[in-house]
Amino acid sequence: EAGVTQSPTHLIKTRGQQATLRCSPISGHTSVYWYQQALGLGLQFLLWYDEGEERNRGNFPPRFSGRQFPNYSSELNVNALELEDSALYLCASSPGRGPGTDTQYFGPGTRLTVL
Amino acid sequence: AQSVTQLDSHVSVSEGTPVLLRCNYSSSYSPSLFWYVQHPNKGLQLLLKYTSAATLVKGINGFEAEFKKSETSFHLTKPSAHMSDAAEYFCVVSEWGGGGADGLTFGKGTHLIIQP
Repeated sequence: EAGVTQSPTHLIKTRGQQATLRCSPISGHTSVYWYQQALGLGLQFLLWYDEGEERNRGNFPPRFSGRQFPNYSSELNVNALELEDSALYLCASSPGRGPGTDTQYFGPGTRLTVL
Repeated sequence: AQSVTQLDSHVSVSEGTPVLLRCNYSSSYSPSLFWYVQHPNKGLQLLLKYTSAATLVKGINGFEAEFKKSETSFHLTKPSAHMSDAAEYFCVVSEWGGGGADGLTFGKGTHLIIQP
């Protein structure tokens, strides 16, 4: 069974540009979560999508947005990039019973570098 | 609101000796608790999970953790460390029952070093 996949592996952008990160969940999973792992800040919850809807978001500005497609894959968009957006962005998927009891399975991440 | 504290940022043990990684949590509702491991330049792998069943949870690679409600702890242990255990370990809490859905709350991680 294929795991969670993310693309691209690495992404280099300059300040002010937009970045698009992609995630494909495990087959049969309807929930997708996005996390940011920035140096010195640890892992922080960004967004949760389930059944095509945004269910919750963490404490991030609106320039972090995303969507979930009918096939349950997801995109994370970061607009007006700032230097501090440089981080590893992790995507996770789960069967969709809810974050309290679901096990989340993580992808390998996308390393975003903002110059 | 939920929170998790990993009491040690670094733990160093010799190969073949026991491992103890400490974690305390705070939760307003019945929490689910997890331990994840992250090897260098890799994603996160689930080691084990507690969801209000047995308080002693066995995971992969010989790891286990015990949920102690009275101490609000969920420490991770392994009887005998192996060189391949060197990695970053995250204690994670997820709260359900409050009507919200905040994803997972991660501890800051414990870097496990295995000495030969």
